[in-house]
Amino acid sequence: DAGVIQSPRHEVTEMGQEVTLRCKPISGHDYLFWYRQTMMRGLELLIYFNNNVPIDDSGMPEDRFSAKMPNASFSTLKIQPSEPRDSAVYFCASRRRETGSYNEQFFGPGTRLTVL
Amino acid sequence: DAKTTQPNSMESNEEEPVHLPCNHSTISGTDYIHWYRQLPSQGPEYVIHGLTSNVNNRMASLAIAEDRKSSTLILHRATLRDAAVYYCILRDSGAGSYQLTFGKGTKLSVIP
Repeated sequence: DAGVIQSPRHEVTEMGQEVTLRCKPISGHDYLFWYRQTMMRGLELLIYFNNNVPIDDSGMPEDRFSAKMPNASFSTLKIQPSEPRDSAVYFCASRRRETGSYNEQFFGPGTRLTVL
Repeated sequence: DAKTTQPNSMESNEEEPVHLPCNHSTISGTDYIHWYRQLPSQGPEYVIHGLTSNVNNRMASLAIAEDRKSSTLILHRATLRDAAVYYCILRDSGAGSYQLTFGKGTKLSVIP
């Protein structure tokens, strides 16, 4: 299995531009999570989906952030307009639903976003 | 979520055992103890988890205190590849939530 795939791996953009981060979860996984990691705040959960439906988006910082999961194999995290304080590493993770045995979260390699 | 407390950093010599402590004095009966680690420039990865009994897997061992208010992740022989930030996380298995709340973790340095 290829694991969780994220693209792009690095993104540099200017303030005010729209940014779209992409994630392909592991096939067969029911849950998808988006995290953001910064030096100041550490690793924070932004939103998670179950069977393509957003379950908890309380971590999304503001209306400039939106996430979608149009099908089981693809999700996007969009920032519009982007600001310098959005600079961070964004991770996507996926896992199976629990079926009596533990199923851990598998993380992608992350997208390093720099907003100038 | 119940909170965990970990030392900010620890050092170990290569090929020595490492004991990474975690305090979780407000743990509830349905909280599982999870450990994840994050190698430099990578996403976190699962290490081990447990509820009440000590657990072993190919990566590490987890020793859980009898009152469950603390636990220790044990790496039996540290290698340079084990240098990472180690996160101790509690998750309520009864809440139906699969979220993981990461703290600051312990940064482990391994000295050759």
